[in-house]
Amino acid sequence: DGGITQSPKYLFRKEGQNVTLSCEQNLNHDAMYWYRQDPGQGLRLIYYSQIVNDFQKGDIAEGYSVSREKKESFPLTVTSAQKNPTAFYLCASSGQDSGNTIYFGEGSWLTVV
Amino acid sequence: QKEVEQNSGPLSVPEGAIASLNCTYSDRGSQSFFWYRQYSGKSPELIMFIYSNGDKEDGRFTAQLNKASQYVSLLIRDSQPSDSATYLCAVNWRGYGGSQGNLIFGKGTKLSVKP
Repeated sequence: DGGITQSPKYLFRKEGQNVTLSCEQNLNHDAMYWYRQDPGQGLRLIYYSQIVNDFQKGDIAEGYSVSREKKESFPLTVTSAQKNPTAFYLCASSGQDSGNTIYFGEGSWLTVV
Repeated sequence: QKEVEQNSGPLSVPEGAIASLNCTYSDRGSQSFFWYRQYSGKSPELIMFIYSNGDKEDGRFTAQLNKASQYVSLLIRDSQPSDSATYLCAVNWRGYGGSQGNLIFGKGTKLSVKP
């Protein structure tokens, strides 16, 4: 089935640890995105990538890093510099064949313990 | 300045009624407008998109766009309890990557449909 796969669905991070969230898509979309959602809040853009080997900061990139070595993959690393990482993280993608509409993966819940 | 404003609700309607969800946006140059539905604890799923002024209907859903007033709405006819969710309005913002149109999301309106 075509879609966007995020893993893990639930992740616990200790203080001072880096963690990486995986995002893989088989939709042949060029663009990929990472959003963060806090309770009762809208989605805020962390990073986005429109093409392999290129990515841009969104509104809240501090404390996060990404890579785009393959078209299908856009992993997000939450570093220890991110002081309040507990949130719901959503990976998304879009492509010209879908009218540039953004579609989401199922999300990953990150909790700091 | 990029803003998408929605009434947070909750908006409560009886089963079978019409639910009306509203959204305003600040970027006059925005060209693409989207409505997503998000159930609690789940990721957003696309309901509709609209690009042109006027109405666009898809089943029980109608999106309405008025670019002059910078206003987009979603009507849900014959509301069902299964429609109870948070509805997110999203608008493309040209500041992100030009024509690719990355989206700015409102905080969402929580809809509750009572049986």
